[in-house]
Amino acid sequence: GAVVSQHPSWVICKSGTSVKIECRSLDFQATTMFWYRQFPKQSLMLMATSNEGSKATYEQGVEKDKFLINHASLTLSTLTVTSAHPEDSSFYICSARRGGGILNTEAFFGQGTRLTVV
Amino acid sequence: DAKTTQPNSMESNEEEPVHLPCNHSTISGTDYIHWYRQLPSQGPEYVIHGLTSNVNNRMASLAIAEDRKSSTLILHRATLRDAAVYYCILGGSQGNLIFGKGTKLSVKP
Repeated sequence: GAVVSQHPSWVICKSGTSVKIECRSLDFQATTMFWYRQFPKQSLMLMATSNEGSKATYEQGVEKDKFLINHASLTLSTLTVTSAHPEDSSFYICSARRGGGILNTEAFFGQGTRLTVV
Repeated sequence: DAKTTQPNSMESNEEEPVHLPCNHSTISGTDYIHWYRQLPSQGPEYVIHGLTSNVNNRMASLAIAEDRKSSTLILHRATLRDAAVYYCILGGSQGNLIFGKGTKLSVKP
């Protein structure tokens, strides 16, 4: 079956540094990918929609200059958390669906990236 | 995006069937009903989805009410590995999935 892979699985960084998280669709092309954030004991919150070859669409309240999204190819989207602070510590998850009939296809999720900012 | 309502938690005994309810009274005619589950510290996993008719797959069954305002995910024989948070989601018009709080299913041996 289709697989979406995230890297790294976990990362610890110092406050003020930037961290890049990669999301790859391994056996299908994904013109659209989605980035979520999940705090402990809470549900997933959609952060942004990543569109191949164009700018990402951010949800209300998500800072686009802080969470940089690049979707340079049909199989790779990256999320860069810039100038990370402890409050950015969270579980980041990406998702992708096969192209075509997006409303009627299953979404595949990465295994998530646990970011800890110290 | 239309919202769903699920119980916060449910318990089941191992090898017994589990019926997880979901209310979606504001569902539109084109909204698919999706179910995903999430194990601790993992990304969500697809379970099943449907539009109007009941659906079956190797993991579960989805029973959709005739008026589509509610649905039930059925796990025919719960195992310990089925303990997870189950999310009932109506498919977004942009292809995104908006997660609610879900139902935390506990399975007792």
